[in-house]
Amino acid sequence: DVKVTQSSRYLVKRTGEKVFLECVQDMDHENMFWYRQDPGLGLRLIYFSYDVKMKEKGDIPEGYSVSREKKERFSLILESASTNQTSMYLCASSFRPYRQHNQPQHFGDGTRLSIL
Amino acid sequence: GQNIDQPTEMTATEGAIVQINCTYQTSGFNGLFWYQQHAGEAPTFLSYNVLDGLEEKGRFSSFLSRSKGYSYLLLKELQMKDSASYLCAVRDLSEAAGNKLTFGGGTRVLVKP
Repeated sequence: DVKVTQSSRYLVKRTGEKVFLECVQDMDHENMFWYRQDPGLGLRLIYFSYDVKMKEKGDIPEGYSVSREKKERFSLILESASTNQTSMYLCASSFRPYRQHNQPQHFGDGTRLSIL
Repeated sequence: GQNIDQPTEMTATEGAIVQINCTYQTSGFNGLFWYQQHAGEAPTFLSYNVLDGLEEKGRFSSFLSRSKGYSYLLLKELQMKDSASYLCAVRDLSEAAGNKLTFGGGTRVLVKP
């Protein structure tokens, strides 16, 4: 079974702090994704990566950065946390479609982040 | 860009059938996914459609019409454990290499005894 592991289920940080959210997958997936999920807004893509050291902006990258130094690990960084970044953060991974067209994304359990 | 619409909430009775519709607008379509998400848990993959027609997996079926920009997820013989949110997601042709998806807002299904 695919395993996508996020480092924390719950996290509380203060405004202005630099926050790191970690995600690790064990299936040798090329693609990794960071989303945030808010009531009424659904899942919104922040950043994704299709290879080591590669990153692409999603729909809402402002205030975030990412790091992909190893294939299995994708980190989301809040440079200076603000209260409007309080949300559920979900990491996902998948193979690239050329390997198998119907490849779904597999999700971690999420990190509920509160910025005070 | 893409626009994906699905109803916010639906209620149904245990043992009944519920159909969750999803309409989308995209510049280049390359597949549609349905996910189930229980409260406080990760989304889990249910089904995938890329060609027109019906895909059946046990009690769950998903239908696609590319010409209409329309899909539905059919849940039969509803059970209490089917109470969850159901997410429709579309992969755009231009994003195929990255397997990037755009998600709808999700439909919360409440199954009553």
